[in-house]
Amino acid sequence: AQSVTQPDIHITVSEGASLELRCNYSYGATPYLFWYVQSPGQGLQLLLKYFSGDTLVQGIKGFEAEFKRSQSSFNLRKPSVHWSDAAEYFCAVGATGTASKLTFGTGTRLQVTL
Amino acid sequence: KAGVTQTPRYLIKTRGQQVTLSCSPISGHRSVSWYQQTPGQGLQFLFEYFSETQRNKGNFPGRFSGRQFSNSRSEMNVSTLELGDSALYLCASSPTSGGAVGTQYFGPGTRLLVL
Repeated sequence: AQSVTQPDIHITVSEGASLELRCNYSYGATPYLFWYVQSPGQGLQLLLKYFSGDTLVQGIKGFEAEFKRSQSSFNLRKPSVHWSDAAEYFCAVGATGTASKLTFGTGTRLQVTL
Repeated sequence: KAGVTQTPRYLIKTRGQQVTLSCSPISGHRSVSWYQQTPGQGLQFLFEYFSETQRNKGNFPGRFSGRQFSNSRSEMNVSTLELGDSALYLCASSPTSGGAVGTQYFGPGTRLLVL
C-alpha cells in the first residue's frame, strides 16, 4: 500500500527566507507525486506534480520540487517566501497510470512572520 | 474553464438524517473522486467514479455511497449520519486523456456539521 509522510507538522519562516517542506513516500514503483496547498476553509490547489522525466519540477507561485528516488522523497522548495504563502501544504501520491485514488500526507502548516 | 463546483457549501444536519452532496466536474473531465477531510484523520479517499461506474473505493462503511450521471456530475450520499461524519467533503475531477491525465483538480468542498 502506498503511504506519505510529512514529518513537519508546523513550520515558521520569515518573509523572504527560503522554504523546504519535506515529503517521503512509500510505493512499489515510480509513483505519481503531487503537492497541494490549502488555505483556511478552502479546497486544495495543485502546486505541482511529478509523473516522469526531469526530477526537478516547477510549479505555480514560484514553487519547485525535486523527486529523489533513492531517498523516496519529493521535497517542496521556494527560494523566497511571501506572507501570502501561509497555508497548509499537502504531499500526495497516486498509483502510476492512474492517480484517481490519492493518498495524502498529514500536511504541514506554514506560518510566515513579517 | 470553470473549476469544480460543489453544492451546497455548508450544511448542518442531525444524527440519523441523511445527506446528499453534489459535484460538477470541470468540463470534459470524466473522472470524479470524493475525499473526506477531518482534523483527526486528515484527507481520506472515499470513492471514484468514471463513466457512471464506481472505479475505486476507499475504506468507508456502506453508509457512504455515490453515483455519477451521464454528464459526469456526481453526488455522494451519507445515510444515518453520525457525529463523526462532520467533515469537509472534497470533490476532485480528473481528465482521462491528454497531458494532464491523472491530475486531480479539487473543488472548494462542502462543510458538513452533524449535531
